[in-house]
Order: sequence, then structure tokens, then C-alpha cells
Amino acid sequence: SAVISQKPSRDICQRGTSLTIQCQVDSQVTMMFWYRQQPGQSLTLIATANQGSEATYESGFVIDKFPISRPNLTFSTLTVSNLSPEDSSIYLCSGGTENIQYFGAGTRLSVL
Amino acid sequence: GQSLEQPSEVTAVEGAIVQINCTYQTSGFYGLSWYQQHDGGAPTFLSYNALDGLEETGRFSSFLSRSDSYGYLLLQELQMKDSASYFCAQDNFNKFYFGSGTKLNVKP
Repeated sequence: SAVISQKPSRDICQRGTSLTIQCQVDSQVTMMFWYRQQPGQSLTLIATANQGSEATYESGFVIDKFPISRPNLTFSTLTVSNLSPEDSSIYLCSGGTENIQYFGAGTRLSVL
Repeated sequence: GQSLEQPSEVTAVEGAIVQINCTYQTSGFYGLSWYQQHDGGAPTFLSYNALDGLEETGRFSSFLSRSDSYGYLLLQELQMKDSASYFCAQDNFNKFYFGSGTKLNVKP
């Protein structure tokens, strides 16, 4: 199994600013992903974090708004840029191998 | 993303058996997973079906039928701690798309 550490656990930000979320895995995983989840809703895949190269974004998500880095197999960051109240949500990272994903506890973002 | 439909809410009593269905439209995927998420918690992996048929893991079993485009999670001997949200997730060539989610309420 893998343990995913995500920080910050929560933050309150002003509109127009940016927030960077960090995700650390305690063992090597082949895949890392970023998701967004509104309370009580499903998880929406934002992007696949690729080691050493540009992330692969899902429809509706763009690099300028959600830049992602993954410098090595165990660490990734997601930045949510130019924040607006619509970005208020829970952001989750996951890491895993072929069949199983392990999730961080999430970052609860509130934008004022 | 993909469209995976689940019932929004299911209620059952302790000790009972409950089945949570997941229907999808996209074919040609690697497998179907199930995750449990308690309120305020992280999703945790329960089961994965790469092939059609039943996979059993303790009190939880999962089933996949590609020809019928559906799967289900079966929870036996329900306990109060099973109250949570349950998500199916389709493994589309190493991208995971989650279903709409089912909130399970277990009553004494």
C-alpha cells in the first residue's frame, strides 16, 4: 500500500490569488492524479501528473489555470491560479499502480 | 470524462445485505473499481474487477458484466461503520473516472 500526504489540509484564499497544494507519496507509484470534489458530489479528474513532463489534462481543465508539476515519482504539486469563488472545492491527489489508487486526505479550499 | 450512474442513496438495516449498482456507457476499459468514502475522509479502495464475474473480499463482493454494461458492489452483514458513500470507478487505460456515488445509510 501507499500513504499519501497532502498539504495544506484547508485554506481560505482571496480571489485573484493562487494556492499550491503539495502531494507526497511514501513509496514509488507509477501514476499520480489530481481530482476535484464538491462536498457530497463525485470526484472529477483534473489531470494525470506525468513525471518530468507536462500533465495530461481532462476536458474543461487547462494548464494556465491548474499548473501541475511532478519532478519525481513520489511528489507532485497542483496550483489553482487566479482564484474565484467557483474554485471553492476539495482537491484530492491520488497515487497508485495499475489497479489501486490511494488518496490523500484532500485540501478544502474556500475562496472569498 | 465518462458517465457512470449509481443510485444516489440507499438505506438498509444492520446485518442486512445491500447491492449498489453501477451502469456505464463506455466500453473498452481495463476494469471497474469500487471505493468507500466516509464523510470528510479520503476515498479508500475496496475492490477491482478486471474480468467479468464476482470478486470476493471479506464482507464485500464486486461483480462486473461487460456485456450488460454494469457492475455492482455487494455488502453483506452490514455494520453501522459501513455508512458512507460508495463510488464505482472505471479504469479507462490508466485514467480513473468515478461514478455519481451512492450514499449508504445503515440503521440499527
